[in-house]
Amino acid sequence: DGGITQSPKYLFRKEGQNVTLSCEQNLNHDAMYWYRQDPGQGLRLIYYSQIVNDFQKGDIAEGYSVSREKKESFPLTVTSAQKNPTAFYLCASRLDRATEAFFGQGTRLTVV
Amino acid sequence: DQQVKQNSPSLSVQEGRISILNCDYTNSMFDYFLWYKKYPAEGPTFLISISSIKDKNEDGRFTVFLNKSAKHLSLHIVPSQPGDSAVYFCAARGAGSWGKLQFGAGTQVVVTP
Repeated sequence: DGGITQSPKYLFRKEGQNVTLSCEQNLNHDAMYWYRQDPGQGLRLIYYSQIVNDFQKGDIAEGYSVSREKKESFPLTVTSAQKNPTAFYLCASRLDRATEAFFGQGTRLTVV
Repeated sequence: DQQVKQNSPSLSVQEGRISILNCDYTNSMFDYFLWYKKYPAEGPTFLISISSIKDKNEDGRFTVFLNKSAKHLSLHIVPSQPGDSAVYFCAARGAGSWGKLQFGAGTQVVVTP
């Protein structure tokens, strides 16, 4: 089955620690995206990548980093510089200039 | 600066009646508009889209209307069913930026028996 897999579903980390969220897709999609969802704020774009070894900052990139070494994978690292990291993180992918993006199931990150 | 706005955070509708969700946008360069449906603790799923050159698109119980002059779109669900209870996000695709999607804040729909 083709799809986007995010892992883990729930993640707990201590304040000050970096943490990496995994996103893998086997849809052969070119573009991949990371969004963050907070209550009442919809989905905000963190980073996106249109092609391997290239990525661009979204609207709220501060405190995050990404890599795109393989077409299938787009991991997101939440660094200690991110002031309010507790949120629901969503990864998405899209084929070329297709209209819709497909989303993974999300990772709920809680920093304590 | 939020370019896509959903001003109604919630909507309650009776089963069998029509649900109307509204969305406003500010960027006239958006070329596609999409609606996504989201259940708690899951990723959004694509529902329906409309090109900026059209004013209506229909798919089963779902119809999206676009009024470009007013920079307004709406999603109609007829008839509403209990399984439609979810958060609905409006999204718009930027034409010149390889299609980044900008999302609204979402509208929580509750369909009551």
